[in-house]
Amino acid sequence: EPEVTQTPSHQVTQMGQEVILRCVPISNHLYFYWYRQILGQKVEFLVSFYNNEISEKSEIFDDQFSVERPDGSNFTLKIRSTKLEDSAMYFCASSGQGAYDEQYFGPGTRLTVT
Amino acid sequence: ELKVEQNPLFLSMQEGKNYTIYCNYSTTSDRLYWYRQDPGKSLESLFVLLSNGAVKQEGRLMASLDTKARLSTLHITAAVHDLSATYFCAVVLMNRDDKIIFGKGTRLHILP
Repeated sequence: EPEVTQTPSHQVTQMGQEVILRCVPISNHLYFYWYRQILGQKVEFLVSFYNNEISEKSEIFDDQFSVERPDGSNFTLKIRSTKLEDSAMYFCASSGQGAYDEQYFGPGTRLTVT
Repeated sequence: ELKVEQNPLFLSMQEGKNYTIYCNYSTTSDRLYWYRQDPGKSLESLFVLLSNGAVKQEGRLMASLDTKARLSTLHITAAVHDLSATYFCAVVLMNRDDKIIFGKGTRLHILP
């Protein structure tokens, strides 16, 4: 069964450093998403991406964040100048038909900022 | 701004019992998801509800959507221990097709 994959599974970085989280969505999906979940808390929408551009973003997704689909398979989230409060689990998801269809979530990347 | 409220936030119940988790949301929407999350794991899609009156069932779980009341329910029938998990509802903002707001989750603990 096709699945969304994410790398790395755990990333430790120092405050102020840049990180890139990588995702490989399901191959025939067209809609891509990033979410984050601070430990034990609710899932927060960050950004959605369709047709090679951002379709929606939340208030959390400020200039510190960017997304890219550099090739036909990868979907990346870049966090510039990380802060302690960026520590969270970051989930990538993909969907075949956007918000009319179920989203398939990857296993997540745990980001720890020290 | 859309607010999504789930209740209860924590539920401990005996195997074999029935219970309902409620998801209320504050503004108009006609699309709602239910997800399951096991501890330390990712989210698993359970149901996608796309219209008023939608009802979907999978095993011991049944979800419904009342867009007029801005309410969705997730009903558990004859609970079994394997259903212990955190359940999230998530609502799509009307006219903001790709912006999805999650509730805080209901942590369900089913006692054997």
